[in-house]
Amino acid sequence: KQEVTQIPAALSVPEGENLVLNCSFTDSAIYNLQWFRQDPGKGLTSLLLIQSSQREQTSGRLNASLDKSSGRSTLYIAASQPGDSATYLCAVKSGGSNYKLTFGKGTLLTVNP
Amino acid sequence: DGGITQSPKYLFRKEGQNVTLSCEQNLNHDAMYWYRQDPGQGLRLIYYSQIVNDFQKGDIAEGYSVSREKKESFPLTVTSAQKNPTAFYLCASSMSWGLQETQYFGPGTRLLVL
Repeated sequence: KQEVTQIPAALSVPEGENLVLNCSFTDSAIYNLQWFRQDPGKGLTSLLLIQSSQREQTSGRLNASLDKSSGRSTLYIAASQPGDSATYLCAVKSGGSNYKLTFGKGTLLTVNP
Repeated sequence: DGGITQSPKYLFRKEGQNVTLSCEQNLNHDAMYWYRQDPGQGLRLIYYSQIVNDFQKGDIAEGYSVSREKKESFPLTVTSAQKNPTAFYLCASSMSWGLQETQYFGPGTRLLVL
């Protein structure tokens, strides 16, 4: 059974700092990995999708990497801003022919002005 | 604007009552999904539908039911058999049931028990 772990559970940083969020998964036989953002009481917004054959994806100040063999992904946020404050969720798609998304519990990020 | 709408935003259920959560999408997506989110927990899949008139149980389907009579609609009923229904419910859709597809999420419905 696939399990996804996100560390740390919460992170507080001053504005302008570069930061890294971590995601690990137990079964390396994944199809892809996705990072989402969730604002309080809201739905999820997809940030980056990395296919299993890819090593990284970039979008603006965000860079996500994937090391499938070690079961790890990182989300790097450059020059953090107060507007980046949210919960960041990692999800992997796996499961053979009955594939589905398995989510981590998320990292709550607070960027202080 | 294309997107996914969920209603109501808040829903209150009395003991023994069935309630239905609405999910509508105008993205022309074939696949739709229902997730449950509890505080400090990851999302858990309740039901999914790969195509109209078809749906499958997810990891926590007990106490829930769905229908998929129209491509754009995927309502979720929380029955009285669901003993701990208080949670945040999220609906999602994707263009197809494919490995490469990104899921797009609605704004969610928060269900509370009176």
